[in-house]
Amino acid sequence: AQRVTQPEKLLSVFKGAPVELKCNYSYSGSPELFWYVQYSRQRLQLLLRHISRESIKGFTADLNKGETSFHLKKPFAQEEDSAMYYCALKEEYGNKLVFGAGTILRVKS
Amino acid sequence: DAGVTQSPTHLIKTRGQQVTLRCSPISGHKSVSWYQQVLGQGPQFIFQYYEKEERGRGNFPDRFSARQFPNYSSELNVNALLLGDSALYLCASSLAAGTGIGGYTFGSGTRLTVV
Repeated sequence: AQRVTQPEKLLSVFKGAPVELKCNYSYSGSPELFWYVQYSRQRLQLLLRHISRESIKGFTADLNKGETSFHLKKPFAQEEDSAMYYCALKEEYGNKLVFGAGTILRVKS
Repeated sequence: DAGVTQSPTHLIKTRGQQVTLRCSPISGHKSVSWYQQVLGQGPQFIFQYYEKEERGRGNFPDRFSARQFPNYSSELNVNALLLGDSALYLCASSLAAGTGIGGYTFGSGTRLTVV
């Protein structure tokens, strides 16, 4: 069965430091990968998706099919990036999203 | 645009009772999906409805059921509540059955506590 793994429950970095939130998946087909973010007291919202290949709020993510990874990166963390981040996968012939357990990002000043 | 609205925001029920959760999608969105998020875990897919028809069902017991109305709003029903049903229930809407342009937009959720 398809699975999304986010190995870190918590990632703590200093402001201005680079950030990499890891996401690995298991799926034999061609998945669609997403990153969702949840800021404090706000609803879950889409941050980016691999098919659009765009950068949102300075974050980028590249789908690596060989390593089955979709890591989220930002060169310089900002305090407002502190939030819960979820990686999610959609099968090529289905509509449900399979989420990882999430990683809390804390950016310290 | 009001976004995806869910009601109620919080609910406390006793074991064995039944509960109905409601979701109104973004205007123009015809698909509604339901997810369960247990504390410390990511959301888990329960159902998807598109044009009032069930398009997907997750690995949940038959105690869970849902429906979609002609105005595309949706209800999630859970019968014979168990303590383990305590969770945040999220509704997501989208234009079509797939993620499409804009993807899925989530509501703020209903926090269900079973005592």
